[in-house]
Amino acid sequence: QVQVVQSGAEVRKPGASVKVSCKTSGYAFSDYYIQWVRQAPGQGLEWMAWINPKSGGTNAAQKFRARVTLTRDTSISTAYMELSRLRADDTAVYYCAVRGSSGDDWPFYFHEIDMWGQGTTVSVSS
Amino acid sequence: IQMTQSPSSLPASVGDRVTITCQASQDIRNYLNWYQQKPGKAPKLLIYDASNLGPGVPSRFSGSGSGTDFTFTISSLQPEDIATYYCQQYDNLPPTFGQGTKVEIK
Repeated sequence: QVQVVQSGAEVRKPGASVKVSCKTSGYAFSDYYIQWVRQAPGQGLEWMAWINPKSGGTNAAQKFRARVTLTRDTSISTAYMELSRLRADDTAVYYCAVRGSSGDDWPFYFHEIDMWGQGTTVSVSS
Repeated sequence: IQMTQSPSSLPASVGDRVTITCQASQDIRNYLNWYQQKPGKAPKLLIYDASNLGPGVPSRFSGSGSGTDFTFTISSLQPEDIATYYCQQYDNLPPTFGQGTKVEIK
């Protein structure tokens, strides 16, 4: 079965960077996009970015484009999201999710899998 | 695209029929998901393409609508359905979520 396991909680100071990992199993890693979504404490869900593990292509919401870096290591079926120049309002739970066939140009169509990691809490405080 | 969900809170009794609406600020065709999120847990897909049941999702959940107006229904509320529900459009970038509807036991 599909499993998605994220790295543990992180604490950073303002201005620092954080890198969250997302390890997958149970399916062909390169066949599905990895999405990143965050949720601030007590707030709703906010889509951040996606990576196509097959091509390495990425896209991010305008507000994150200058600060987010998405990478992947296909040899270990793991995707990474690095957010730089952290601010207090970046404090949130960060989720990765497997969704969308990497053969499609549009990464959000449902193709049998929509599976989320358990979330990674990132706290930013001085 | 703005997604407006209502109500934001929904007290209901076990066995009740529960309905949540989601309105998009522009036509999103049928590219709408509904997610369930329990406290401290990741969202779980219930409905995709506005009306298709996700894998393993019980048939008491259903969705309908297209264009700008969508409805999500639980036909008979069960105790395990207590959660926050979100709609999400994926017709345009960035995909956007509604603000959520918290379903509580009355």
